[in-house]
Amino acid sequence: SQTIHQWPATLVQPVGSPLSLECTVEGTSNPNLYWYRQAAGRGLQLLFYSVGIGQISSEVPQNLSASRPQDRQFILSSKKLLLSDSGFYLCAWAQGATNEKLFFGSGTQLSVL
Amino acid sequence: QQQVKQSPQSLIVQKGGISIINCAYENTAFDYFPWYQQFPGKGPALLIAIRPDVSEKKEGRFTISFNKSAKQFSLHIMDSQPGDSATYFCAARGPTGANNLFFGTGTRLTVIP
Repeated sequence: SQTIHQWPATLVQPVGSPLSLECTVEGTSNPNLYWYRQAAGRGLQLLFYSVGIGQISSEVPQNLSASRPQDRQFILSSKKLLLSDSGFYLCAWAQGATNEKLFFGSGTQLSVL
Repeated sequence: QQQVKQSPQSLIVQKGGISIINCAYENTAFDYFPWYQQFPGKGPALLIAIRPDVSEKKEGRFTISFNKSAKQFSLHIMDSQPGDSATYFCAARGPTGANNLFFGTGTRLTVIP
């Protein structure tokens, strides 16, 4: 069966520090991968998606970046965090052929202080 | 521009009552309409979904009503329970591309005993 792992679950970082969030998927190959951000009490904002290794599409211009070094690994990064980067970050995957069902990770609560 | 409009933003229902969440869309090319349920601190999970060739789909206490001509669909939760308290997202899928799932802004449901 397919599983998605996202870590860490909670992260507190000072303003200006770097960020690296990692997400891995097991039990499937060539998935579409996604990073979403959810501000407190708000909806889901798509940040990045990837249809293959090294292929990254950005939806929102910001100081975040994403990389996909392996088929089932998706990384969200920042060189210098801003206060506005605080939020709940969710990784998700979908089977590329139909893209019908998104499977979300358990999320990372990021607080930038 | 919000592709899927969802209302209400929040909803309080008495235990045993009916919870109703509404969504509307404009793009007639949308071909799949899922609902996701998110508990606090967790990632959303697919709850129920419908295709536009049927007007209703029921799974247990959860029912989607779909009105193709009005371009509206809604989630009904019968006999609402405190355990149903969560945020609900409607979504609509476009016909092509990896970035083809558009989410509503979410409804926070609270079921009071």
